[in-house]
Amino acid sequence: QKEVEQNSGPLSVPEGAIASLNCTYSDRGSQSFFWYRQYSGKSPELIMSIYSNGDKEDGRFTAQLNKASQYVSLLIRDSQPSDSATYLCAVNTNDKIIFGKGTRLHILP
Amino acid sequence: DAGVIQSPRHEVTEMGQEVTLRCKPISGHDYLFWYRQTMMRGLELLIYFNNNVPIDDSGMPEDRFSAKMPNASFSTLKIQPSEPRDSAVYFCASYPMQAGSYNEQFFGPGTRLTVL
Repeated sequence: QKEVEQNSGPLSVPEGAIASLNCTYSDRGSQSFFWYRQYSGKSPELIMSIYSNGDKEDGRFTAQLNKASQYVSLLIRDSQPSDSATYLCAVNTNDKIIFGKGTRLHILP
Repeated sequence: DAGVIQSPRHEVTEMGQEVTLRCKPISGHDYLFWYRQTMMRGLELLIYFNNNVPIDDSGMPEDRFSAKMPNASFSTLKIQPSEPRDSAVYFCASYPMQAGSYNEQFFGPGTRLTVL
């Protein structure tokens, strides 16, 4: 079983709509969870982190964590063309940080 | 701070040659990670260090790969001999360890390696 799994996409969402990205992880001992955005040819940049069950909102972004289901999600409201990128889910287990393969998101103008 | 610095940014070499990638983490960061990214395999963790000590190298693909961190401000990833399947973007990332907090990794710009 892969440690961090994401749907590779591409996920196509109309401009202005909500984009929903999902991630599952295998280690129940994982403590913290991150969403990174990566534009083509660039390095990953952190957009959200979450450590407790529930929702965490930051501007147009909402991260959701359900430790019982080992599930993390990212919602992007009012999607913009500039949101088109690959979104990487990362999981920290005892300071070892593992990434999923990423989901390619394409916002349709 | 200049952020995580990696060199070279691009490297083209021939199969069988030795390749050395370099990383300077952000000053004060206790952890340093080496990742490799390809389309097929995504962002794979190769090895990470805490206070210059290798903690987990289980991601290093084979004996041709080695990594060192002789001091807090410098790390190298060496491939000897290199093979075409090693072609990828290699990222270095660092973060500080602060009690009671969960920290963001800061990534370097990456080294794009092409082995012919």
